[in-house]
Amino acid sequence: QSALTQPASVSGSPGQSITISCTGTSSDVGGYNYVSWYQQHPGKAPKVMIYDVSDRASGVSNRFSGSKSGNTASLTISGLQAEDEADYYCCSYTDTSILYVFGTGTKVTVL
Amino acid sequence: EVQVLESGGGLVQPGGSLRLSCVASGFTFSIHAMNWVRQAPGKGLEWVSAMSGSDDSTYYADSVKGRFTISRDNSKNTLYLQMNSLRAEDTALYYCTKDRYSSSWGQGTMVTVSS
Repeated sequence: QSALTQPASVSGSPGQSITISCTGTSSDVGGYNYVSWYQQHPGKAPKVMIYDVSDRASGVSNRFSGSKSGNTASLTISGLQAEDEADYYCCSYTDTSILYVFGTGTKVTVL
Repeated sequence: EVQVLESGGGLVQPGGSLRLSCVASGFTFSIHAMNWVRQAPGKGLEWVSAMSGSDDSTYYADSVKGRFTISRDNSKNTLYLQMNSLRAEDTALYYCTKDRYSSSWGQGTMVTVSS
């Protein structure tokens, strides 16, 4: 089971919107609505932002939204802020020999 | 407040064993699925193992299957990860997480496998 594919880096200016993609297969992202997204600041534990493709976790800003089309899930951050600069990981349930698979991770830079 | 607190990490030689613990509080531990997720230094997240809260089913990543064992003691609100036949590539920060979508994370416990 290979990791889900994410772009290594995405950047944007304050106030802009950016989208991070997460590409898998029909055995994971495409087959189930169990995709979650995590934000990780340097030296900190990850924090869930989105679960079940598009549900925002408690306390998460509505600037964060999730969606899915086919085998690709996406996390969109609108109104980009300096505090959004972090690493982001997607994760999906998979019906292969394991249970969950994480994405390769994306570093978001606020210009 | 939901909290999970990992412990038990340390330095161990290749081929050695270690048992990690995760004490949970602030929620009904027995009914929730729990996971172990690890992160090697400077690398991404890797799901390691999970245990259901309903029927105690267990699941493992291919990279640890046959070497690691997840278990829980609901009377102590504690999740465990017994790690045997450790390899250098098991070196990582090990996180305990709550629920199938890892709604809560601890701060992690570091495992270093080196001679």
